[in-house]
Amino acid sequence: DAKTTQPTSMDCAEGRAANLPCNHSTISGNEYVYWYRQIHSQGPQYIIHGLKNNETNEMASLIITEDRKSSTLILPHATLRDTAVYYCIVRGANNQGGKLIFGQGTELSVKP
Amino acid sequence: EPEVTQTPSHQVTQMGQEVILRCVPISNHLYFYWYRQILGQKVEFLVSFYNNEISEKSEIFDDQFSVERPDGSNFTLKIRSTKLEDSAMYFCASSETSGGASEQFFGPGTRLTVL
Repeated sequence: DAKTTQPTSMDCAEGRAANLPCNHSTISGNEYVYWYRQIHSQGPQYIIHGLKNNETNEMASLIITEDRKSSTLILPHATLRDTAVYYCIVRGANNQGGKLIFGQGTELSVKP
Repeated sequence: EPEVTQTPSHQVTQMGQEVILRCVPISNHLYFYWYRQILGQKVEFLVSFYNNEISEKSEIFDDQFSVERPDGSNFTLKIRSTKLEDSAMYFCASSETSGGASEQFFGPGTRLTVL
């Protein structure tokens, strides 16, 4: 599975959009981009995933560049409860074991 | 909405004792996982399990660890003789398939403290 690079930390004002970048320049054609978050030692929470197309669900939007070497997770109206560590994970379609490899993630602080 | 549950939420044990951590995965899921997170560190993969067999395990998952699906609903992680360094949060997860398109859903975790 390809390696990802994320900023260590970011701040966002409450009510504004939070845009979290992720670089995955070595991603291969059958690898998915996943986003999870972890709120203070709780279990990681699935947010969204995508392969090539942009994706949107009730939690967030995922924008994947055309060359697939980077992506951005967008929380459209961040709230204080969105303060968490956000993990970008690349995962192969043929990952038979199914494991997720977590990095250090981005610590997002949403401020009033 | 279905969710993964774990018991107990907190387990305190003496070094050398055996512990069993329990998980109830989402009911129609077929793939099960254990991860751990030592305080202040990354979430680390331990083991994946499918069709009553281990699919993959990490270097951390040595002979002291074992997993079992004793019945149709529970999935357990046993640590035979706990060490101080086993103190961590242990997370169970499940998914419908193992492929890259299948989301894994995590439980709330069990905090294991080894004294």
